[in-house]
Amino acid sequence: SQQGEEDPQALSIQEGENATMNCSYKTSINNLQWYRQNSGRGLVHLILIRSNEREKHSGRLRVTLDTSKKSSSLLITASRAADTASYFCATDGTGGFKTIFGAGTRLFVKA
Amino acid sequence: EAGVAQSPRYKIIEKRQSVAFWCNPISGHATLYWYQQILGQGPKLLIQFQNNGVVDDSQLPKDRFSAERLKGVDSTLKIQPAKLEDSAVYLCASSLSLNEQFFGPGTRLTVL
Repeated sequence: SQQGEEDPQALSIQEGENATMNCSYKTSINNLQWYRQNSGRGLVHLILIRSNEREKHSGRLRVTLDTSKKSSSLLITASRAADTASYFCATDGTGGFKTIFGAGTRLFVKA
Repeated sequence: EAGVAQSPRYKIIEKRQSVAFWCNPISGHATLYWYQQILGQGPKLLIQFQNNGVVDDSQLPKDRFSAERLKGVDSTLKIQPAKLEDSAVYLCASSLSLNEQFFGPGTRLTVL
């Protein structure tokens, strides 16, 4: 079973616009991570946010975490065509070490 | 720093045949993971090693899948016998701790 559920399943935007993806999960977590996957570079880690953190930034990425709602969001600002990829959230639960990935959001950025 | 290496990159077999995948993690990474990613889905953890020991294999179909990690470094994942539904990309990842995982390029398996 998949713990994380990303929303939307697919997103198409113009270059320069912002893209927001959401992730919901079911059980308590130690941390939540976002990964990007495209055909050129495979699966790449983007950012990790711990359960005691509420917001984190990395370049054009902004991640928020609301543990009371069991949800996280990933914001990509000023998107570029190169941001076209699938984005996954992954959680490490407090009950064990297993990493569980969601089904992903497919982002398409039009030049 | 060299990344996670996997081989082969592609494999086509017929159902009921056997297949093995190899993974060499980043040097010094104690934790190694094998994932199965079916087209259109997120990766599903099959097995996680911490050095030589298995941390989690709850989603590994043990009647046909097996994995080992010799000397806490390289790892092999085997499927015997393969079924049509095993067609997927098999990803290996490694990490220093239970945080950021570094993924290999994957092995795309097609079972006919």
